[in-house]
Amino acid sequence: QVQLQESGPGLVKPSETLSLTCRVSGYSISSGYYWAWIRQPPGKGLEWIGSIYHSGSTYYNPSLKSRVTISVDASKNQYSLNLRSVTAADTAVYYCVRLRSVVVTVEDIHYCFDSWGQGSLVTVSS
Amino acid sequence: EIVLTQSPDTLSVSPGERATLSCRASESISSNLAWYQQKPGQTPRLLIYGASTRATGIPARFSGSGSGTEFTLTISSLQSEDFAVYYCQEYNNWSLITFGQGTRLDIK
Repeated sequence: QVQLQESGPGLVKPSETLSLTCRVSGYSISSGYYWAWIRQPPGKGLEWIGSIYHSGSTYYNPSLKSRVTISVDASKNQYSLNLRSVTAADTAVYYCVRLRSVVVTVEDIHYCFDSWGQGSLVTVSS
Repeated sequence: EIVLTQSPDTLSVSPGERATLSCRASESISSNLAWYQQKPGQTPRLLIYGASTRATGIPARFSGSGSGTEFTLTISSLQSEDFAVYYCQEYNNWSLITFGQGTRLDIK
């Protein structure tokens, strides 16, 4: 059974870079699927940040694209998030999540977030 | 970018009754929609994908329907453990994913 675990600082100063790493166990990133970051501000809804494939192909939320980099280290079976120039609005629980593809037919493929890390609360404050 | 609007924001239903939650897309997304349940202090759990296919281990009282722009999640007979926040999520363009704002399902 796949398990994901986020790690990184819980407190980041405004204008600095938020960095998190997700360690994956029970499944090899190189075997396939996309791997994503999702965040949830306290008391609010879910926001997709971006996704990465083991080859390094990345896709980002347009609202965050100028500040986000997601990278993968398949040899360590982990991937990382960097969010630059953070403000208080970036305070949130950050989840690493597997984006599973379910192939019904070649033309009918479904993508869903089926495995979630426990989440890492990151507070932006001086 | 596709916008998902869920309604209502909060729904109060008695245990044993049926709950119907809605999700409307700003443009057609075929059946490329998933539903998630999130209980307080927990991570979201996948319930439905493909608009109507239950994920592994999800009870039959959860059902999804719809296509195009209108979607519904129905919980046929509410159990105490079903009171939570529910999110819809579209993946019509899987490289740009959006969530609805959520519906809170409360005990009446």
